[in-house]
Amino acid sequence: DGGITQSPKYLFRKEGQNVTLSCEQNLNHDAMYWYRQDPGQGLRLIYYSQIVNDFQKGDIAEGYSVSREKKESFPLTVTSAQKNPTAFYLCASSRAGTNNSPLHFGNGTRLTVT
Amino acid sequence: GQQLNQSPQSMFIQEGEDVSMNCTSSSIFNTWLWYKQDPGEGPVLLIALYKAGELTSNGRLTAQFGITRKDSFLNISASIPSDVGIYFCALNQAGTALIFGKGTTLSVSS
Repeated sequence: DGGITQSPKYLFRKEGQNVTLSCEQNLNHDAMYWYRQDPGQGLRLIYYSQIVNDFQKGDIAEGYSVSREKKESFPLTVTSAQKNPTAFYLCASSRAGTNNSPLHFGNGTRLTVT
Repeated sequence: GQQLNQSPQSMFIQEGEDVSMNCTSSSIFNTWLWYKQDPGEGPVLLIALYKAGELTSNGRLTAQFGITRKDSFLNISASIPSDVGIYFCALNQAGTALIFGKGTTLSVSS
């Protein structure tokens, strides 16, 4: 079955450490996205990539970095510069662009930093 | 950036009741999407609306794209316990990615 896989489901880190969240899709989608979800805040866009080797900052990119070396993969690194990293992180993909191409989401990674 | 206002923020209802939630935007858009997120999972698309005035149903769910193209509502009829979750409206922001409302959390008691 085609889909988006995020791993791990739960991740715990100490403050000051960088951590990388994995996102893999086998839907042959060109575009991939990272959103952050906090209670009562909805989904906020961190980074997105519409094509391999290219990505753009979203609304809350500070303290995060991404890479898009392969079409299938879009890992997100939460750096020590992110002030409040504890959150639920959602990865999504779509066909090129989002015009009439709804997002397909993974099941998320819950990151806890203490 | 673009603001999406979604209301209500939360709802507590009895099984069998009907539910209505809505979203408004400050600008005109060509697409309204409604997603549902079950606890601990990613959102799943429920209904997509592409034309002003469009009324679309998906089982017990009905959504409409407002005539002004600045609003949309989602209705759920005869709610059941598995309707529990967070419902999001979303808009396609040209050239970037979807923007989401803050969500309506639905609780259903049996």
